[in-house]
Amino acid sequence: NAGVMQNPRHLVRRRGQEARLRCSPVKGHSHVYWYRQLPEEGLKFMVYLQKENIIDESGMPKERFSAEFPKEGPSILRIQQVVRGDSAAYFCASSPSVGGTGELFFGEGSRLTVL
Amino acid sequence: GESVGLHLPTLSVQEGDNSIINCAYSNSASDYFIWYKQESGKGPQFIIDIRSNMDKRQGQRVTVLLNKTVKHLSLQIAATQPGDSAVYFCADLSGGYQKVTFGTGTKLQVIP
Repeated sequence: NAGVMQNPRHLVRRRGQEARLRCSPVKGHSHVYWYRQLPEEGLKFMVYLQKENIIDESGMPKERFSAEFPKEGPSILRIQQVVRGDSAAYFCASSPSVGGTGELFFGEGSRLTVL
Repeated sequence: GESVGLHLPTLSVQEGDNSIINCAYSNSASDYFIWYKQESGKGPQFIIDIRSNMDKRQGQRVTVLLNKTVKHLSLQIAATQPGDSAVYFCADLSGGYQKVTFGTGTKLQVIP
């Protein structure tokens, strides 16, 4: 069984370009979470989505960042007009349901470098 | 702000010894406390969780202790092995869905 798949694993962008990060959750999981991790720091919650719905985007910057989880296909985290401060590892996680114990299944992350 | 935080950034342990990683939390409304392990270059991996109405839970070579009086959480790893070298995050869950809030992490270094 495939776990959470993220791509690309590494992405280099110049300032002002767009970055698109994709996440395919564990098969059967309908809940997706995106986290950002700066070097030597913890993971910061960004957004929680269910199929076609954004449930909680309280951790996502209001400008330039957007996320979606369409009925078909992977979840996408989109960063427009990237700046150097966007350089980080972005992790996607999935879970099968709500009301659980906090066990999230994480992907290997997408590492964004902004030049 | 953060609801969980760790005492020490780095812990060095001799192989075969027991490891204890500590964590303080501030959110009394947390439903679960969780420990994650993150190896270099990889995503976090769930280790063990404990419900807020419990004070101890054991897994394979790991034990989590919860002291609600002083809002303290610890992860004990028995007979630490080189493969245990990683960053360990405590985290909490609250709000009725799987919004997991992470602390800053402790790096565990196992000395052969």
